[in-house]
Formats: sequence, C-alpha cells, structure tokens
Amino acid sequence: DSGVTQTPKHLITATGQRVTLRCSPRSGDLSVYWYQQSLDQGLQFLIQYYNGEERAKGNILERFSAQQFPDLHSELNLSSLELGDSALYFCASSVGRGMNTEAFFGQGTRLTVV
Amino acid sequence: AQSVTQLDSQVPVFEEAPVELRCNYSSSVSVYLFWYVQYPNQGLQLLLKYLSGSTLVKGINGFEAEFNKSQTSFHLRKPSVHISDTAEYFCAVSRYTNAGKSTFGDGTTLTVKP
Repeated sequence: DSGVTQTPKHLITATGQRVTLRCSPRSGDLSVYWYQQSLDQGLQFLIQYYNGEERAKGNILERFSAQQFPDLHSELNLSSLELGDSALYFCASSVGRGMNTEAFFGQGTRLTVV
Repeated sequence: AQSVTQLDSQVPVFEEAPVELRCNYSSSVSVYLFWYVQYPNQGLQLLLKYLSGSTLVKGINGFEAEFNKSQTSFHLRKPSVHISDTAEYFCAVSRYTNAGKSTFGDGTTLTVKP
C-alpha cells in the first residue's frame, strides 16, 4: 500500500458527461501528480500541484482540469467526455518537488466512457 | 523535448534466468532516468533512479541499471528472476529534477515462467 488513495476505483459514464476523480496523497506529501494511462497513448503526465498551486503541466486537454485543496487532496475534473478518454488515471504524491523526493502512486481510477 | 524507447514490448524468461530490459532515450539536454514497475491492478512503484554520480544504480528487488551516456541507454538488469517479478516495467526520463514530470516509455511486459 503506497498510502495514496484514489476514488472511485472504477467509473463508467456516457459520452458528453463530466466526472471528478479524487486523490488523497500520503500524509505529509505536498505534491500531487496526475497521469493518464491508455493503450494507444501509454503513460502520460497530465499535471502537478504543489501545496495548492499548479507546478507543472503536461499533455492535459483543455476539457480536463485539476485542483489541489487546502487539505492537499486533489481532484481531476474531466468534462465533455469522449470515448478516447477511457483510460486508467493515476495519482501520485511526493513530499516535495525536487530530486530528493520519490513519487508514490495510487492504484488508479479506471474510467470507461461508453 | 525528450523521448524514451523501450526496445522490447514483451520479454519471456524462465525462473532463475538473468534478464535485461532495454531502454534508450533521446534528449538535447541532460536528463534524469527512472525505472518503474507496475504489478497487475496496481500503481507504479519506483525501482531505481539515476540522477548523477555512479553510472551503475542499484534498486529494490535485486534490480540494477547502468546509465550509458554515449549510447543514451539505461538498461535494467537482474541476475536471477523470480515468478513474482512478472509485471510491466516502465523506463522514464525527465529533464527536471522532479521525478513526477517524466516522459515514459511504452512499457515492457516481463513474464517469468516456472
């Protein structure tokens, strides 16, 4: 158990809908990262938050957004869902944002868009 | 920008045999390199990382990797594998010291047979 909790584990929704994925980082970790893992795109970094502020951005679509709350949990919002958004979404957390920190991954949320 | 190529999508080996999972990268700047393992229905777990110093890096579970700057490679090795090593392995590269914002390879599925 990495200590990173993601909910829900599975989500099935229709095209055009909006969903929210939740991540609780390990206790004491200030950084939260979101990744998308799909068969055709592989594992891609989406976005990072550090202590409530956006720190780095990757291949995140405009239809997707994220935020980190004062209690350090994070939410990834996916809107106007398309079939191609079906993927495993991982959250990871680390203590800091530098080279001395290791990112610990949650078990992921499997999103299926039908 | 940087990219990662994992040269083998699947590697089947017998238990107690040695294994090498190959990873090449390209980047116009200095990079940091990582290997992650993903067990079925689990998140990613960091196996080892190269940030600087000795080019031979030892990680968890008996794995090691060697950074070869001239060949732009970071191959993962284990002298004797176990059934429990069956998993997917990802090589990742980052130009930042932050391990979270990395570019991942497509993964190599290691299958250890009895």
